[in-house]
Amino acid sequence: DVKVTQSSRYLVKRTGEKVFLECVQDMDHENMFWYRQDPGLGLRLIYFSYDVKMKEKGDIPEGYSVSREKKERFSLILESASTNQTSMYLCASSDRNTIYFGEGSWLTVV
Amino acid sequence: SQQGEEDPQALSIQEGENATMNCSYKTSINNLQWYRQNSGRGLVHLILIRSNEREKHSGRLRVTLDTSKKSSSLLITASRAADTASYFCATLDSNYQLIWGAGTKLIIKP
Repeated sequence: DVKVTQSSRYLVKRTGEKVFLECVQDMDHENMFWYRQDPGLGLRLIYFSYDVKMKEKGDIPEGYSVSREKKERFSLILESASTNQTSMYLCASSDRNTIYFGEGSWLTVV
Repeated sequence: SQQGEEDPQALSIQEGENATMNCSYKTSINNLQWYRQNSGRGLVHLILIRSNEREKHSGRLRVTLDTSKKSSSLLITASRAADTASYFCATLDSNYQLIWGAGTKLIIKP
């Protein structure tokens, strides 16, 4: 079975802190994604990567950056966390046909 | 990402009854997945059905796919209180766009 693992399930951070959300997949997928899920807004794409060291902005990249140094790992970085970044963050990886989601990381910024 | 459509948006049934949820999409797909999300929790992958399959079973779950109507249904038989959750369909279209339904909120009354 494909496994997409988000290392932190629940985090509480202070405003202005730098936050790292890590995601690892074990299926040698080229494509990886970061979404955030908010009530009433569905899933919104923050960034995606289609290869190592490659990244593309999604629909809401502001306030975020990403890192893909290895194929299996895609990190989401909040350079200076703000309260409006309190959300559930979902990592996903895909082959050509199928997208697989991690279980999600709940981030609260206080 | 594109918004698929799920109906009903909310469903409340008695424990032991069957629950049926539907999902529609607009583009051609290779497969479709159903996920469950409990309140305040991450996503749990339930089942994947490929475009050349019409029906698939997994335990008390039965998924159908009608590519001519661009729709899928998820049936949960003999519902239990623990089935209370939101259910989403998800897929990738040929342009790598995520199609993600708004979800059906299922409540199982004891």
